[in-house]
Amino acid sequence: ETGVTQTPRHLVMGMTNKKSLKCEQHLGHNAMYWYKQSAKKPLELMFVYSLEERVENNSVPSRFSPECPNSSHLFLHLHTLQPEDSALYLCASSQDHYGLIYGYTFGSGTRLTVV
Amino acid sequence: GNSVTQMEGPVTLSEEAFLTINCTYTATGYPSLFWYVQYPGEGLQLLLKATKADDKGSNKGFEATYRKETTSFHLEKGSVQVSDSAVYFCALTINSGAGSYQLTFGKGTKLSVIP
Repeated sequence: ETGVTQTPRHLVMGMTNKKSLKCEQHLGHNAMYWYKQSAKKPLELMFVYSLEERVENNSVPSRFSPECPNSSHLFLHLHTLQPEDSALYLCASSQDHYGLIYGYTFGSGTRLTVV
Repeated sequence: GNSVTQMEGPVTLSEEAFLTINCTYTATGYPSLFWYVQYPGEGLQLLLKATKADDKGSNKGFEATYRKETTSFHLEKGSVQVSDSAVYFCALTINSGAGSYQLTFGKGTKLSVIP
């Protein structure tokens, strides 16, 4: 257990479904992140929240919608996804902005399969 | 732009062999450098870090030295174990200006250690 908890661990959804991924940390960290990990590609930063405000959105399609209701929780709402969105979605948090000094703490990820 | 280049994998070693995974970077400025490890079915874990030139990060028998002159941060371990089998990611964080930071990962190197 790393201190960052992601649920569910696995998710299979159809292209017309709506689902949400949840991330929770009680480390007292101020920043939280969503990453996408696809086979044979570098990790792709999707969203960054610092002190509950979204500070970065890396040209992510609108079918992905993040939500950060407080500094401990981060959601990724999914709707009308495509098969190429199948990947491991990783949540991370950091004590300092962008983990410059202490690095990131990652969750175990949600393995998403879009059918 | 900033980038991280890791040696291509997979790397297969026998138990107790010496490990080197090469990592070089390109960055404008003075980045912080990290190695993360991802065990099968899990998220990334911070393995070690170095925040300035000539710093040596170390953890669990792994070491890496921040070499500014060669822009490198090679990961080494003197005697690997089967339990070290994982994917290793080199990463950097740097202040991109105006309070904006950028975290960049390499593509990862898969290590398999056989008994």
